[in-house]
Amino acid sequence: DTAVSQTPKYLVTQMGNDKSIKCEQNLGHDTMYWYKQDSKKFLKIMFSYNNKELIINETVPNRFSPKSPDKAHLNLHINSLELGDSAVYFCASSQTPNTEAFFGQGTRLTVV
Amino acid sequence: KQEVTQIPAALSVPEGENLVLNCSFTDSAIYNLQWFRQDPGKGLTSLLLIQSSQREQTSGRLNASLDKSSGRSTLYIAASQPGDSATYLCAVLETGYALNFGKGTSLLVTP
Repeated sequence: DTAVSQTPKYLVTQMGNDKSIKCEQNLGHDTMYWYKQDSKKFLKIMFSYNNKELIINETVPNRFSPKSPDKAHLNLHINSLELGDSAVYFCASSQTPNTEAFFGQGTRLTVV
Repeated sequence: KQEVTQIPAALSVPEGENLVLNCSFTDSAIYNLQWFRQDPGKGLTSLLLIQSSQREQTSGRLNASLDKSSGRSTLYIAASQPGDSATYLCAVLETGYALNFGKGTSLLVTP
C-alpha cells in the first residue's frame, strides 16, 4: 500500500485552464504539505495543514488554493494556469509538524 | 532566513568506494535534519532523520552526523553500489515551519 499517493502523476494542460491535484495519505498523520520542485530541482514549501487547519502559507499566487476535506486528504487547486506553473508538485505528510516527513511520488505539471 | 547548502553538487565514484556528502545550514536553531534520496522521476525517500539533540543516526550502510553548533551534517555511504546512484537531499526543520531543502548532490556510482 502506498503511504502518500498523488493523482495524477502527469498533467499536461493549456494556459488559462483550472486543474486540481489530489493527495491522500494512509499513515494516520495529522500534518500534510504541498511542495513545489522547480526546473532547477529546488524544493520549496507551499502550504501545510495540521488537523485540517492551514498553518503554513508561503508566498504563492492566490491562484493556488489548497483544500483539506479531512486529515487524510490535501488537494491543490490551481486557477488560470500559467507557463511558469510548470513544475513537479509533491505532497507529503508527517505525524505532527515536527516529525519525519514522507513524500508522494510527485505530479509533473506541464502548462503549454 | 535559513539557507541550506549541499556540497558537492555532483559526484561520480567507482563502485565500492566510501563517500561523504556534505550539508551546511546557516541558522543552528533547527528542530531536526532529514536526509532524502530522490531517483529520477520519482518521489523522495526518507533515509535518516536526526533530532537536534542527537549527534548521528545509522541505517545499514548509511551514517548521518549532525553538528548543530557549526551548522553541518554529513551523510556517509559505505561500500557504494550502482544502486546508490540518485540525488541526495538534505533538509532542515525549524520549529513551527516546514522542511527547508538544499539543492541536492547528484551521485553516480559506476560499476
